[in-house]
Amino acid sequence: DIQMTQSPASLSASLEEIVTITCQASQDIGNYLSWYQQKPGKSPQLLIHSATSLADGVPSRFSGSRSGTQYSLKINRLQVEDTGIYYCLQHYSAPLTFGSGTKLEIK
Amino acid sequence: EVKLQQSGDELVRPGASVKMSCKASGYTFTDYAMHWVKQSPGQGLEWIGTIIPLIDTTSYNQKFKGKATLTADKSSNTAYMELSRLTSEDSAVYYCARGDYSSYILDYWGQGVMVTVSS
Repeated sequence: DIQMTQSPASLSASLEEIVTITCQASQDIGNYLSWYQQKPGKSPQLLIHSATSLADGVPSRFSGSRSGTQYSLKINRLQVEDTGIYYCLQHYSAPLTFGSGTKLEIK
Repeated sequence: EVKLQQSGDELVRPGASVKMSCKASGYTFTDYAMHWVKQSPGQGLEWIGTIIPLIDTTSYNQKFKGKATLTADKSSNTAYMELSRLTSEDSAVYYCARGDYSSYILDYWGQGVMVTVSS
């Protein structure tokens, strides 16, 4: 199975700050990487797919990038509504595997 | 508008089975796969498996083989997951999620079903 190592586990940042979350894949997964945001009691919401493509309706302050087998989610100008848990997902091969999650809080 | 409406929360006895549903609307049901994901209390996400309703083909995470059975009814645009021989380890929230055939991007998710296994 492909392992996705996500960091950091938690993050506290100020409004308007820039934050970055990373996922390291245990092998090549190409651009088959998505990012999700999950709020308490809600289902995950797609933010980024294909490593760098913004999902429909997602604010442009979210962006994704790739360097080899390392993938990053960047949030520019952090807003209050960005609190939640963020997960990466590799969908290159079955079984699909998620990162362990990053809990983002506002200071 | 794409919508995945899941059935209600379940309280079940250890050793029993439970079958949950995921009714799709707002798109052509057979144009996409349906995936199922487990989220244990306070934990992350685990992929259970997927079904392609068009050809009734399934693929399971080895960890859930023998535990989960995925089916789909094209006539009612509904996907089902049955969990058998339930234990406390199966207490979790279960999500269905629509997935693109070729890329497996999970773009729309149901609201989740909370399964509690308790005597």
